[in-house]
Amino acid sequence: GQQVQQSPASLVLQEGENAELQCNFSTSLNSMQWFYQRPEGSLVSLFYNPSGTKQSGRLTSTTVIKERRSSLHISSSQITDSGTYLCAMEAGNMGYKLTFGTGTSLLVDP
Amino acid sequence: EAAVTQSPRNKVAVTGGKVTLSCNQTNNHNNMYWYRQDTGHGLRLIHYSYGAGSTEKGDIPDGYKASRPSQENFSLILELATPSQTSVYFCASGDFNSNERLFFGHGTKLSVL
Repeated sequence: GQQVQQSPASLVLQEGENAELQCNFSTSLNSMQWFYQRPEGSLVSLFYNPSGTKQSGRLTSTTVIKERRSSLHISSSQITDSGTYLCAMEAGNMGYKLTFGTGTSLLVDP
Repeated sequence: EAAVTQSPRNKVAVTGGKVTLSCNQTNNHNNMYWYRQDTGHGLRLIHYSYGAGSTEKGDIPDGYKASRPSQENFSLILELATPSQTSVYFCASGDFNSNERLFFGHGTKLSVL
């Protein structure tokens, strides 16, 4: 079954609104990462966040390992935030490799 | 910023032909990965490597081979390409030993006709 579930699958915001993206894992994990995929396809690492809360500008990632979940909060969204947000987990017994969710597609309208 | 370079950026191949996708990283990372991305499936791991000379099967290795001749280079080989292998392929490097993030190349769009 799907090890990494992301929600929502898609989201439309008005510029300035906040968003909360969720990632749930069906197995135990060592760590997880959040990635941003630009509309043209390139992938950028946002956070390596094995546990706790990390912030970078308007983005905040919170991972709770025991509850097998992570969230990405986007505050004061901008048009340039549009794209796909992917979370990925590194499982406890599967070596140094990441398993990805299918992503949240975000569109920020002016 | 870490650099991962893939070539070619676009490739059209014929069914039954051989295709080699190349990846080079200048990050001195031990680990390298090949993923494919398809609508509805997200990124799926094909092969990965822990260092020069090593290759490991990922979650969907059938129909693919990998080669890691050096720390910097990691290739994905389709010996007999099929239309089902039409996809966007991403190479990545990382070093989880030091809790580093994963860095991706720009992707290769492969069409098998």
